Amino acid sequence: QLQLHESGPGLLKPSETLSLTCSVSGGSISTRSYYWGWIRQSPGKGLEWIGSAGYRGTTYYNPSLQGRLTISADTSNNQFFLTLISVTAADTAVYFCGRHGGYSGVSNDYYFFMDVWGKGTTVTVSS
Amino acid sequence: DIVLTQSPDTLSLSPGERATLSCRTSQSVRSNYLAWYQQKPGQAPRLLIYDASTRATGIPDRFSGSGSGTDFTLTISRLEPEDFAVYFCQQYRSSPYTFGQGTKLEIK
Repeated sequence: QLQLHESGPGLLKPSETLSLTCSVSGGSISTRSYYWGWIRQSPGKGLEWIGSAGYRGTTYYNPSLQGRLTISADTSNNQFFLTLISVTAADTAVYFCGRHGGYSGVSNDYYFFMDVWGKGTTVTVSS
Repeated sequence: DIVLTQSPDTLSLSPGERATLSCRTSQSVRSNYLAWYQQKPGQAPRLLIYDASTRATGIPDRFSGSGSGTDFTLTISRLEPEDFAVYFCQQYRSSPYTFGQGTKLEIK
């Protein structure tokens, strides 16, 4: 059974760098069949797709975070990562990692809904 | 960005009743790339429906999705006590992949 677990610091100060790890068990992230992504949830903004990474390191980022965001992976340890620089209070949220819906041979397209989620980790940015 | 607007914000119903939740998008979602999720307090969202009408693995058949273009609906045919939660829609046709603000389904 595929399971994902987020880890990282719960509290940061403004201008610091947020680094989160998603550890995956029960399946390999190096498959070309799926993308792996991050979504956050805050009272003010609701659910927000952050970005995703897939086979051979292909990445897609939310343009609102482009320039501050990097998503990467370590296939040997079956983990993927989120790095967000210059955080502000607006980055305070619960951060979820997850697996996206997979590749559709019918439409020759990857699905970017999320079918398996981690439990989430709370990140607070405060001075 | 495609904006998703869900209605109503809150829906008060009793167990056994039928629930109808709406999600409208600011642009047509081609290929009906629209998903529905259920979220309970302190938990991650759970995928219910994708491609507007396909139930995810393990989802009871009382949950159904319909719609196309800019108007989509999640229907719960007969509410069970465990169905009272917040429901979100998401479009995954066009990046950035965006979510609705949620509909809270509460017990009347």
